[in-house]
Amino acid sequence: EVQLVESGGGLVQPGGSLRLSCAASGFNFKSYWMSWVRQAPGKGLEWVANINQDGSVKYYVDSVKGRFTISRDNAYDSVNLQMNSLRAEDTAVYYCTRESSSSDYYFENWGQGTLVTVSS
Amino acid sequence: EIVLTQSPATLSLSPGEGATLSCRASQSVSRFLAWYQHKPGQAPRLLIYDASNRATGIPARFSGSGSGADFTLTIRSLEPEDFAVYYCQQRSNWPPTFGGGTKVEIK
Repeated sequence: EVQLVESGGGLVQPGGSLRLSCAASGFNFKSYWMSWVRQAPGKGLEWVANINQDGSVKYYVDSVKGRFTISRDNAYDSVNLQMNSLRAEDTAVYYCTRESSSSDYYFENWGQGTLVTVSS
Repeated sequence: EIVLTQSPATLSLSPGEGATLSCRASQSVSRFLAWYQHKPGQAPRLLIYDASNRATGIPARFSGSGSGADFTLTIRSLEPEDFAVYYCQQRSNWPPTFGGGTKVEIK
């Protein structure tokens, strides 16, 4: 069974940093693109960033470019999201997702999410 | 970026009734559209991809149709576990974007 478990969320002040982690299990992790998707309170879903199988290719939504960094460790089946210069509008539940092996940017599996709150 | 508009915002129905959810794109996305189900406190679940293909393990009462800019998710006969928020998502143009969601609630 595919499992994605996020951790690292919490309360942080504007301008601060936070590192989210996602532990994957139940599938051949190194064969899949991985994405982070977020949902602000009362809002819809927003794709944030993704990373290819060996970590050499990364894409970001414009609103986080230069502030967030996605990375992965295939030895430990984990993907991370380093978030710097956080803003109030980054407040959201962040979901780790596994993309479809046949069609990128379809999100086949999701974690339960971790809440990030940016507030003073 | 492509904007997806879902309607209605809320659908109030009884178990056993059918549901029809709409998703309209600001420009053609061909058939590169997916539907997700999201229940409070749970992980979202992929239901439909490429407009009409059911994902693994999704019951046959869920079906998707459409192409270009207009898409429909149909739930043939609502089961109690189907009451949730449903999102459409396109992958035709980067970045991938989601609709605002339709909440299917118990009448």
